[in-house]
Formats: sequence, C-alpha cells, structure tokens
Amino acid sequence: GESVGLHLPTLSVQEGDNSIINCAYSNSASDYFIWYKQESGKGPQFIIDIRSNMDKRQGQRVTVLLNKTVKHLSLQIAATQPGDSAVYFCAENLGGTSYGKLTFGQGTILTVHP
Amino acid sequence: NAGVTQTPKFQVLKTGQSMTLQCAQDMNHEYMSWYRQDPGMGLRLIHYSVGAGITDQGEVPNGYNVSRSTTEDFPLRLLSAAPSQTSVYFCASTKGYAGYEQFFGPGTRLTVL
Repeated sequence: GESVGLHLPTLSVQEGDNSIINCAYSNSASDYFIWYKQESGKGPQFIIDIRSNMDKRQGQRVTVLLNKTVKHLSLQIAATQPGDSAVYFCAENLGGTSYGKLTFGQGTILTVHP
Repeated sequence: NAGVTQTPKFQVLKTGQSMTLQCAQDMNHEYMSWYRQDPGMGLRLIHYSVGAGITDQGEVPNGYNVSRSTTEDFPLRLLSAAPSQTSVYFCASTKGYAGYEQFFGPGTRLTVL
C-alpha cells in the first residue's frame, strides 16, 4: 500500500564491495524480467533482463538470478562504485503482445560510500 | 536520435483544469506506454499502445485519455485534474519483443493544486 511505498528498502555498501538487490515478483505467468536503475530526477534506465526460461544472466559487472519456484529475482553488482548509487527497480512482463506493459516493484535505494 | 522526448518538464495545474502531456519518439518503435510515479514508489502503467490507432488501459487509467494517431506521438490527456494526479509522468517506447529494452523519457513533474 501507499505506506509501504514511502519506506523503500535501502542498501548501503562501501565502494568496491559487491551488492545484492532482491525483488519478489507477483505473477507466476510473467515471461520476462528486467532491472532498471533510476537516478534522481531521471527516467529509469535499462540494466539487464532475463527470460523465464533462464535462471542466470550476466552482463558487465551485473548478474541477474531468477528463482521461479519462490518468485524471486536478484541483481548482483560487482565492485560497486559511487556512480551506482540510485534506486533500483525490478519489473515483470507477460511477454507476447504485452511487451509494452511493465509491472514494477517498489524499488531499493542503493547508496555507495567512497 | 533524440530517443523519447517529453514536454513540458514541469507543470502546475489547478483542480479541474485539463492539459495534455506530450510524448514523442524517433526510433520507429511500435509500443509506447505512459506510467506515473508517486513519491517513494515504483512506476504504475496508465495506458499503452501497440501501434498507431491501437490503445489499451493499464493499471491506473481513470482520469486519463490517450490516442495514437502516428507511430511517433503518444499524448496523455488529463480531462479534469485532481490533486491525486500530482505525480511524475514517464513515457516509454520499445520495439516490443524479448530482449529489446524499453526506453524511458525524462519525465514530466505535475502538481495539481
């Protein structure tokens, strides 16, 4: 509800540490999962995505893990940098003709200390 | 390419006023969407379109209208603004297939007094 949304989960790490951001998704029929980064005053920026037929995908310094059994998604950021400080959202999508329709989680605030 | 552009960046309305938020993309994307983001929350889908002439409702469509007469443009109309519509509005576009990312505009910050 609204009160939950006003208290975003927060993660505070030191520069160089690895970060893990978690997300529970809602729809077992979702086919496509995406992580977005949102910096203050800007629109969401795509980080990495994963299809439901995969359980792991790696990008540059980022890895997404998908556990469909418990409907859980995680984003791992290696060697976190101050520029990674932002709000991170997971989003899910049913695929097919619904690619324009994303359902977003509430977000996690990541703060990286130099 | 300019990507996804939105105008205006900021807007203040009085209750009952109407206005149109503009969104345009120059990437020839079929799919376009409007989301709203309230403080400390994720984005919620208002309306979306899978091509010119085709629109559908999202999670929170009440109080908003859309139309899609061209591939490039997808305006969002507030019919009679209410304080509950105070939010940041984001437009997005995508090609609409797996693995192709959705691009977001910079947002319009709307305050309804």
